[in-house]
Amino acid sequence: GQQVMQIPQYQHVQEGEDFTTYCNSSTTLSNIQWYKQRPGGHPVFLIQLVKSGEVKKQKRLTFQFGEAKKNSSLHITATQTTDVGTYFCAGPSGTYKYIFGTGTRLKVLA
Amino acid sequence: DVKVTQSSRYLVKRTGEKVFLECVQDMDHENMFWYRQDPGLGLRLIYFSYDVKMKEKGDIPEGYSVSREKKERFSLILESASTNQTSMYLCATSGLALTDTQYFGPGTRLTVL
Repeated sequence: GQQVMQIPQYQHVQEGEDFTTYCNSSTTLSNIQWYKQRPGGHPVFLIQLVKSGEVKKQKRLTFQFGEAKKNSSLHITATQTTDVGTYFCAGPSGTYKYIFGTGTRLKVLA
Repeated sequence: DVKVTQSSRYLVKRTGEKVFLECVQDMDHENMFWYRQDPGLGLRLIYFSYDVKMKEKGDIPEGYSVSREKKERFSLILESASTNQTSMYLCATSGLALTDTQYFGPGTRLTVL
């Protein structure tokens, strides 16, 4: 069946370093969503990408959707302690539901 | 703001007990979802519902059932809890369009002893 994988599973960075998480789908996606879950919290929507090759920015966060619409990435420039959490990508599966990636857990060391 | 509430933040049950987890949303959303979250496995869909009294199996429905008698309320039922159902359970809602955002509740951490 359809799978959405993320790498790495964990990442520890020093504050100020950059961070990237990659999302790969076994099938072509019509769109992709990204969510962030703070420690002890619940996933919160960050952004949605729809077009092939699309790049969107939110302050220090840059999101990219691959040309083939089977992969995506989230890049954080100059990480801060507030960036700590788990980042999930999610792609549609069928009419009503999404498949979530396995998540990348980011730890930022001050 | 969308508000999604879950009946308990923490729950401890014994093996074999029947467990009810309830989710309530106040945004008139059509879609409601139950996920479980386990380390290294991400969010896995148990069941979802796109309308009152309608339900569809997700990826891991075994050992669970659901009920949606009212639009704002979606219940997850563990008929006979087992230790391998110890997990974080997250409810989410969204509008009907596939591009709609999912809004999550705070989660219920269930421990089955």
